[in-house]
Amino acid sequence: QQQVKQSPQSLIVQKGGISIINCAYENTAFDYFPWYQQFPGKGPALLIAIRPDVSEKKEGRFTISFNKSAKQFSLHIMDSQPGDSATYFCAAKGTSYDKVIFGPGTSLSVIP
Amino acid sequence: DSGVTQTPKHLITATGQRVTLRCSPRSGDLSVYWYQQSLDQGLQFLIHYYNGEERAKGNILERFSAQQFPDLHSELNLSSLELGDSALYFCASSPRGDSNTGELFFGEGSRLTVL
Repeated sequence: QQQVKQSPQSLIVQKGGISIINCAYENTAFDYFPWYQQFPGKGPALLIAIRPDVSEKKEGRFTISFNKSAKQFSLHIMDSQPGDSATYFCAAKGTSYDKVIFGPGTSLSVIP
Repeated sequence: DSGVTQTPKHLITATGQRVTLRCSPRSGDLSVYWYQQSLDQGLQFLIHYYNGEERAKGNILERFSAQQFPDLHSELNLSSLELGDSALYFCASSPRGDSNTGELFFGEGSRLTVL
């Protein structure tokens, strides 16, 4: 199964709060899990990525948590800012696949 | 700016028509991917080319076809267009054929409207 599930579909967070987006996959052949950020009118851009040999990766205010046994991973945005308002896509890729499979996306709105 | 160029940015056409979307990858990137983005379907993988050869296919309709030319630019051809083909079509490039890093560099997309 090459599907990646993502929730919630939309999220509203107050400035300074924590935004949390969750993803799940079924295919154990996936071995690379990137997150992409998309602003209106723009193409998606890589935000942060993780491989399943680590449980957490942090870059500034953005953290990926990875649970290999549960086949779940999540994005945490600390101290969320209005400039973080965008659509976030989790994705997955396996070594035997020449494609990156995207989740359906989460629309994040950070309100002042 | 990702370095990936897509043309046209906007395209309006009628049902039954045929259109061609063009993509120029980042300098040096050998891989080109095409994705379709619609409101209810998210980013759907269509097809991947590496150095002129097809590497992987997603849920691409038979009415759609693509190719990558020797200069590495790619074209996505959509024919017998239907209303449901209205979407944003993204091209992305990657520096390696196996794209082990998973990082794709996306263009700004071509918005297709079928009336």
